Amino acid sequence: GAGVSQSPRYKVAKRGQDVALRCDPISGHVSLFWYQQALGQGPEFLTYFQNEAQLDKSGLPSDRFFAERPEGSVSTLKIQRTQQEDSAVYLCASSPLGRGGVNEQYFGPGTRLTVT
Amino acid sequence: RKEVEQDPGPFNVPEGATVAFNCTYSNSASQSFFWYRQDCRKEPKLLMSVYSSGNEDGRFTAQLNRASQYISLLIRDSKLSDSATYLCVVNNFGNEKLTFGTGTRLTIIP
Repeated sequence: GAGVSQSPRYKVAKRGQDVALRCDPISGHVSLFWYQQALGQGPEFLTYFQNEAQLDKSGLPSDRFFAERPEGSVSTLKIQRTQQEDSAVYLCASSPLGRGGVNEQYFGPGTRLTVT
Repeated sequence: RKEVEQDPGPFNVPEGATVAFNCTYSNSASQSFFWYRQDCRKEPKLLMSVYSSGNEDGRFTAQLNRASQYISLLIRDSKLSDSATYLCVVNNFGNEKLTFGTGTRLTIIP
């Protein structure tokens, strides 16, 4: 079946521009996660949804970052007024279980954001 | 100090050799442990979960030492296709997010 998909795969933004990154999780997966991966580092947690509810946004680096999942399926990560330090790969992951169930997270291919 | 620490490598290992990676974690509330594999410019993929009793999957063996808070991965009879970055990952009790180490880069040399 189809895995997690993300779009766009690559995005170049000028400093100060707003960007929107899309994630389509595996159908039926309850949990959705966003991670940020800088070059040479492991992924860092940004935020977590269970269905449409955003249960943890502790990893969002600033109030310029905003995520939503209004119908409990597709999610969008928005970054306002992009800065050079926002350049990274943004990974989306989904898993079939909700809160209290830890199991495999399936990652999408990521969106590589470059801010110039 | 990072919550999950790994030697970033690189490890350059001849084909057929055995290689081992260690990882330490700082949060005693960590309850689930994993090794993920990430190929260059690809997404991370689960390699194996790590259990207290230790577990094996073909050429791969994972061990967990809760007392010392470290996790290990052993690869036997390494193949060229094992070349990748290996990410040590923990999950803490009551928290759904995964916490990743920086990854250990492995290159298998023909």
